[in-house]
Amino acid sequence: AQSVTQLGSHVSVSEGALVLLRCNYSSSVPPYLFWYVQYPNQGLQLLLKYTTGATLVKGINGFEAEFKKSETSFHLTKPSAHMSDAAEYFCAVSRKGNQGGKLIFGQGTELSVKP
Amino acid sequence: DAGVTQSPTHLIKTRGQQVTLRCSPISGHKSVSWYQQVLGQGPQFIFQYYEKEERGRGNFPDRFSARQFPNYSSELNVNALLLGDSALYLCASSLQGQETQYFGPGTRLLVL
Repeated sequence: AQSVTQLGSHVSVSEGALVLLRCNYSSSVPPYLFWYVQYPNQGLQLLLKYTTGATLVKGINGFEAEFKKSETSFHLTKPSAHMSDAAEYFCAVSRKGNQGGKLIFGQGTELSVKP
Repeated sequence: DAGVTQSPTHLIKTRGQQVTLRCSPISGHKSVSWYQQVLGQGPQFIFQYYEKEERGRGNFPDRFSARQFPNYSSELNVNALLLGDSALYLCASSLQGQETQYFGPGTRLLVL
């Protein structure tokens, strides 16, 4: 079975500060890992994904995440927060070889950015 | 290119009624998945359809059903609505053989 745990339902940072959103997963098979962002009253937008290869993955809007198999983690970071980064962030996992099928999401982390 | 589109954007129903939600995938995408997102939670997988066949089903009661049409659009039907069915219903599409799902804006359903 697969599961995702996002540590911290709410994170608050100052504009220009480092953003760190934590995600740990459980999977008995090699996983695909994703980060999605959801702005108020909108759907989900893909930030980045890890499938195979390089464990440090760069995404849109300056975000990146590192797959650490030994720690079963896929934490999301951004060196300098911007006001426009305020949103809900979801980490998700699926089975390797999954083709458009079941994504398992964490509970989400709401990011607030203070001026 | 247009993204995933969903209709309607908002819907209000009363308990016991039936509802149909619609989704049009990105052009060329043949796989459609449906998710339910209750307020304050992450999305929960309901169904995946590929080439008009059900390829996966989440832990939802039989009141939930779906289908996919020859043009790859999809409908999600929910019968005998309960208050707990109030949620944002998200549709996602993906290319054949690809793991990345692209989400639509969702349909917000309120059951009174």
